[in-house]
Amino acid sequence: AQTVTQSQPEMSVQEAETVTLSCTYDTSESDYYLFWYKQPPSRQMILVIRQEAYKQQNATENRFSVNFQKAAKSFSLKISDSQLGDAAMYFCAYRSAGLQGGSEKLVFGKGTKLTVNP
Amino acid sequence: NAGVTQTPKFRVLKTGQSMTLLCAQDMNHEYMYWYRQDPGMGLRLIHYSVGEGTTAKGEVPDGYNVSRLKKQNFLLGLESAAPSQTSVYFCASSYSSPPRAIGIQYFGAGTRLSVL
Repeated sequence: AQTVTQSQPEMSVQEAETVTLSCTYDTSESDYYLFWYKQPPSRQMILVIRQEAYKQQNATENRFSVNFQKAAKSFSLKISDSQLGDAAMYFCAYRSAGLQGGSEKLVFGKGTKLTVNP
Repeated sequence: NAGVTQTPKFRVLKTGQSMTLLCAQDMNHEYMYWYRQDPGMGLRLIHYSVGEGTTAKGEVPDGYNVSRLKKQNFLLGLESAAPSQTSVYFCASSYSSPPRAIGIQYFGAGTRLSVL
């Protein structure tokens, strides 16, 4: 079974600075997808960024980018120019790319609480 | 755009009571999921469905039942609630993606359930 580990329960960053959240995963599969979800105090789960394992290029979405190291099974999230609205819980998630039914279910890490200081 | 709608948003039950959580999606998605979120545990999959009339167990299915009688609805039932089922419950849906295509999951706003 796949597992996802987020080793930083809490992180803090100054407004306008850059912060990196860590995520490692364990899998024997070669084809899969990785995601970062943001959960603000409203509880709504919001997709931040996603990465296909077969793509070598790191995904980027505006101020959010990832460092995907497939051999190391590492998938970190970098937030540049941090804003107060970035304060939230961030969850790393894994999804198999297999064809069998149910392979689309997500396996989540335990989350990292990000605080942004003004 | 409604997306994924969960009802109710909050509920308090006594031990042994039953209830049903409703999830409705208006995106014509094939796949639907129920997760629970506990402090320090992330989200864990309870049950999921890959189409109307089909359901399957996830990681933590004990004490829950589900039904998918209509494509747009996915019901989560607790027949005899226990304090261990105090949690925040999330429903999600996604389209049935072809190989090499990401099937992004869209989440509801969650239901906070307390069992006393």
